[in-house]
Amino acid sequence: DSGVTQTPKHLITATGQRVTLRCSPRSGDLSVYWYQQSLDQGLQFLIQYYNGEERAKGNILERFSAQQFPDLHSELNLSSLELGDSALYFCASSIWPPIYGYTFGSGTRLTVV
Amino acid sequence: AQSVTQLGSHVSVSEGALVLLRCNYSSSVPPYLFWYVQYPNQGLQLLLKYTSAATLVKGINGFEAEFKKSETSFHLTKPSAHMSDAAEYFCAVGSSNDYKLSFGAGTTVTVRA
Repeated sequence: DSGVTQTPKHLITATGQRVTLRCSPRSGDLSVYWYQQSLDQGLQFLIQYYNGEERAKGNILERFSAQQFPDLHSELNLSSLELGDSALYFCASSIWPPIYGYTFGSGTRLTVV
Repeated sequence: AQSVTQLGSHVSVSEGALVLLRCNYSSSVPPYLFWYVQYPNQGLQLLLKYTSAATLVKGINGFEAEFKKSETSFHLTKPSAHMSDAAEYFCAVGSSNDYKLSFGAGTTVTVRA
């Protein structure tokens, strides 16, 4: 157990639907990062939050949004889902600055049918 | 901006042979460097990290990496491959003035019996 908790582990949904992925960071970590991993795109950085504020944005689609709550957990919202959104979504957390690296969760596997 | 380049997307080694995975980085300030391992259907796990202490860093599972500033490299090695080393390996770079780590594209290692 890495200390980063992601739920759900698996999610199957239909095209056009909306889903929410949840992440609880490791105790003491204020930064949360979201990544998408697919076979064709590899590991893609989506977005980062630090203590509730958005700090960096990567290749995140407009259909996707995220937030970090006062208790530091984070949610990634994916809407108007397309088949191509099927992927593993990882959350990671770290202290600031991330001099000791990230701690990753085990991921949420999203399948859009 | 910082970045890493992993040379070789796939490496195949025989059991008992040397494992060598190459990583070159680019950073305008002293970097923090990391190697992560990802087993199938799992999250990324930290193998080792360089944070400006000793240039030869030992990690878990018998892996080690050497930081060479003159070559801007941080190659990962293991003297004797084991079947359990079959996984994908990611190199990452960070610094004290950036909000996030930059990951390489990954190298998949297969181990032949």
